[in-house]
Amino acid sequence: GDSVTQMEGPVTLSEEAFLTINCTYTATGYPSLFWYVQYPGEGLQLLLKATKADDKGSNKGFEATYRKETTSFHLEKGSVQVSDSAVYFCALSERSQGNLIFGKGTKLSVKP
Amino acid sequence: GAGVSQSPSNKVTEKGKDVELRCDPISGHTALYWYRQRLGQGLEFLIYFQGNSAPDKSGLPSDRFSAERTGESVSTLTIQRTQQEDSAVYLCASSLGVHMEGKLFFGSGTQLSVL
Repeated sequence: GDSVTQMEGPVTLSEEAFLTINCTYTATGYPSLFWYVQYPGEGLQLLLKATKADDKGSNKGFEATYRKETTSFHLEKGSVQVSDSAVYFCALSERSQGNLIFGKGTKLSVKP
Repeated sequence: GAGVSQSPSNKVTEKGKDVELRCDPISGHTALYWYRQRLGQGLEFLIYFQGNSAPDKSGLPSDRFSAERTGESVSTLTIQRTQQEDSAVYLCASSLGVHMEGKLFFGSGTQLSVL
């Protein structure tokens, strides 16, 4: 079945460091890919998405490119801030299914 | 309401008791989802509703779990004869439609602890 694998955390970075959180997927069809973020004490919220190969999703300085050849959707940010501290979830959905399939989440802590 | 509301936020129960978890989705959202997150694990899909119907119940872990939705609004997830492995955060989400390209709005969850 479909699945999502993302790098285990926690990830601890200093402010203004470069961030990469790896995500790879397994799917039978042509899924849409997502990154969700959960800030402390809040519910999950959609950060960015890409619906087809080579699409780049971007929001709040974060980017991820849908790579079909490597079945990846890595999350990147050039300069992280303390306010980016959160848990990040990679997810996929297939048009034929009604639900999202999530990875285990990666906790990011950014130190001043 | 302004967002997805779940109640209670925390529930402690004894093994063998039944529990009911409630979800109030965003008004007008026809799709509603239940997920479970055990400690250190990812989000595990349980069930989703399109309107008041649940096309896919395959994620429910056992026949002790059931869910219903009424009036295309409130949903209740019921766990009968709770077991310690049921301890988790139960998350509810809603969206305008089932295939709305993944834009789900999540509640803050119910932390269930089975002693």
